[in-house]
Amino acid sequence: DAKTTQPNSMESNEEEPVHLPCNHSTISGTDYIHWYRQLPSQGPEYVIHGLTSNVNNRMASLAIAEDRKSSTLILHRATLRDAAVYYCILRGGGSEKLVFGKGTKLTVNP
Amino acid sequence: DAGVIQSPRHEVTEMGQEVTLRCKPISGHDYLFWYRQTMMRGLELLIYFNNNVPIDDSGMPEDRFSAKMPNASFSTLKIQPSEPRDSAVYFCASSLGFSSYEQYFGPGTRLTVT
Repeated sequence: DAKTTQPNSMESNEEEPVHLPCNHSTISGTDYIHWYRQLPSQGPEYVIHGLTSNVNNRMASLAIAEDRKSSTLILHRATLRDAAVYYCILRGGGSEKLVFGKGTKLTVNP
Repeated sequence: DAGVIQSPRHEVTEMGQEVTLRCKPISGHDYLFWYRQTMMRGLELLIYFNNNVPIDDSGMPEDRFSAKMPNASFSTLKIQPSEPRDSAVYFCASSLGFSSYEQYFGPGTRLTVT
């Protein structure tokens, strides 16, 4: 499975945008970029995914570099409820497996 | 829908005892996954099923672990005999598979083996 690299931790202030980076230099052409997050004492939850184009949904935006070797998850206005560990995962086309790394622990300050 | 249901939520047992964790996936989902999370190893996929059939059990740590899915609405993960190093949070997840991109996770079972 192709690997991803994320910062161990990041901090943000409430109501400010947050940009969570992810490097995946060995991504293959059929790999989808998935983001999940895990709030304290809960199971992971899906945030967003993309292949080549930037994606938006009600939770976040995903910006994918043109060469697809990196991506950024954007939370437009962080809230205290967004404090969680965010995982960037490459999921091969046709594969059901999610391989979780260590993720980025996001702290949101009031 | 109630989401993925796991039971028990907490389990404390003594080394050597048999432990059975249970999972009810979301109705209509055809994929079911078992994960284990520890501080040391993070979140690991143990096994997953498609239409009740085990597809990939390469993450199952050893023969003491076994998983079954007798029907579309129920799965078990059994540890026999349990050891202190099995202490972890065990998550079950389900998905619609190739027609979906999202796995839905349950709340987890926190297992402590003393």
